[in-house]
Order: sequence, then C-alpha cells, then structure tokens
Amino acid sequence: LAKTTQPISMDSYEGQEVNITCSHNNIATNDYITWYQQFPSQGPRFIIQGYKTKVTNEVASLFIPADRKSSTLSLPRVSLSDTAVYYCLVGRGYSTLTFGKGTMLLVSP
Amino acid sequence: SAVISQKPSRDICQRGTSLTIQCQVDSQVTMMFWYRQQPGQSLTLIATANQGSEATYESGFVIDKFPISRPNLTFSTLTVSNMSPEDSSIYLCSVEGGASGTDTQYFGPGTRLTVL
Repeated sequence: LAKTTQPISMDSYEGQEVNITCSHNNIATNDYITWYQQFPSQGPRFIIQGYKTKVTNEVASLFIPADRKSSTLSLPRVSLSDTAVYYCLVGRGYSTLTFGKGTMLLVSP
Repeated sequence: SAVISQKPSRDICQRGTSLTIQCQVDSQVTMMFWYRQQPGQSLTLIATANQGSEATYESGFVIDKFPISRPNLTFSTLTVSNMSPEDSSIYLCSVEGGASGTDTQYFGPGTRLTVL
C-alpha cells in the first residue's frame, strides 16, 4: 500500500500558479495517481488522474516523473474559489485508496 | 459523472439511538462506498457495498455498528447504531466512476451527524 506525503498547507494569491507536490516512494507498478479537491461541507471532487508523464484537463495539470515516486498537481491562475483541501491518492483497487491528510490551499486576494 | 444525493444532510441525535443515512445515485453502479470524516480529519473508508452481496468492512468497522443495505444498483443505506458522541462525523457515500480500471470515485455531499 503506497503512502503519500503532501505539505499540510500552502498559501497563494489570486492569479498565481500553484504547484502541490505529493511524494509516493512505494508506488507499485499498477498504481494510478489521483487527486481530489474538497471544499468545506462537501464531498471530495475528482480533479485529475495519471499514470506517467503529463496529464492535462480543463482544471489542472498533473506532472509525473519517470520514476513515479512523486507527482505535482498544477493549478494555473488560481482564484479565491480554489481555496480547498487537495488530496493525493495512490493505489489500485478502491479499498487500497487511502486519503491522507491532504494539503489545505488558501488563496488570498 | 454520477450525481449523488444523501439524506439527511445533517442531524443531531441522542446517544444510544440509531440513524440511517440514505445514498441515491442517478445511474446504475456496481460499487458503492461509505466513508467517515471526523472533524478536521481526512476520510476513512468504512465499507464497500456491492449490489447482491454482503458489504465488505474495513479494519475497525463492524456490521453490528454500521449495518449497510444495498437493495439495488442506485441506492444504499448506512445505519449508525447505538450512537455515542464519538460517532459525530460526516458520513459520505461514493460510487465508482471514470474509465474501467482507474478506480476513480464520485462522492455525495455528506451527512453531518452530531451525537449528544
């Protein structure tokens, strides 16, 4: 079971690019890397998922180096509404997917 | 993506009583999951509920305390039995989603439970 390590919190300002890095040294060959966003009083929301290299969607980009021991979620030009907790999950099979403590991102004006 | 609703959205209960939380999804799904999120904490998987089979509970969670029903492919219930203040949490259901093999999930809005 791959464990993940993320910064507990990050601060940013509106319009900046935010990069949140997650370490997962024990990632297995078949594991995917998935990021979720959670606002207060809501359930987590799927943001992006990747296996290797780079994945981009309308919300974020996910960068995964060749050794896959870490990944970086990149949020371009954040706004106040991006203030949330961001979780990095690594695994294969739903019961193996453990939510860590996540990263609390605070975006200020 | 699936749209998931939960009832009730919140409740305040007395210790020793039980509360049943409902989870409804707008499409048929095989796998549904129940999580607990204690105040200020991350999510912990309680059990996996597949239609047509008994729920599978994670370590630390037992059927007598958290009985689960899964009568069809769009609905599930979680009961929190004989509640104590330590059961005060947000309870979330989720369903499988995304491409096959990616293990992504869609979550409901949660049920905020306070036990006095």
